[in-house]
Amino acid sequence: DTGVSQDPRHKITKRGQNVTFRCDPISEHNRLYWYRQTLGQGPEFLTYFQNEAQLEKSRLLSDRFSAERPKGSFSTLEIQRTEQGDSAMYLCASSSRGRPNEKLFFGSGTQLSVL
Amino acid sequence: AQKVTQAQTEISVVEKEDVTLDCVYETRDTTYYLFWYKQPPSGELVFLIRRNSFDEQNEISGRYSWNFQKSTSSFNFTITASQVVDSAVYFCALSEPHTGANSKLTFGKGITLSVRP
Repeated sequence: DTGVSQDPRHKITKRGQNVTFRCDPISEHNRLYWYRQTLGQGPEFLTYFQNEAQLEKSRLLSDRFSAERPKGSFSTLEIQRTEQGDSAMYLCASSSRGRPNEKLFFGSGTQLSVL
Repeated sequence: AQKVTQAQTEISVVEKEDVTLDCVYETRDTTYYLFWYKQPPSGELVFLIRRNSFDEQNEISGRYSWNFQKSTSSFNFTITASQVVDSAVYFCALSEPHTGANSKLTFGKGITLSVRP
């Protein structure tokens, strides 16, 4: 039983570069979430997919951020023209088709450092 | 607006001590869900418990117990006879069904628990 996997685990980039992260949820889960966590803080919701449809985006998600989930399987989160303030841990989570507010299964995250 | 406050930032105990982690929440909804997650050094958040707003029954699971009190908007977590493996950051979180995104959580800032041998 594989969990949620995220790739890469760490990413170091220079300001202004584009980066893309990948998340593979648990295979039978139809809901997928992206959260961002900065040092000393709890995770903050970014966006949510049900199957391939992106149903909600946080105001935290500026125009430089885009997320996709083609075919309702894996998801990618792209950040264009990165800024130092984008440095954070990006967490992906998935949950099953069951009733709402089911528990989330989290990946280990992608740690982004923007120099 | 929903808010979760974990006033304790760091707690250090010696193994076998009991420890209580506090969580206070704010919400305008009558229907909501509360969660506790654990984040060990590996970074992956691990689900511990979910409680809905209609169920104020306290729960015990092994060394873990939870005290939910709507009157004080608190959902506290106690570890009995702590162990070194309990060392982690613990997050309390709130979910409101009306927000649309199922399981869209508002997290507290977390409490870093260190259990010394």
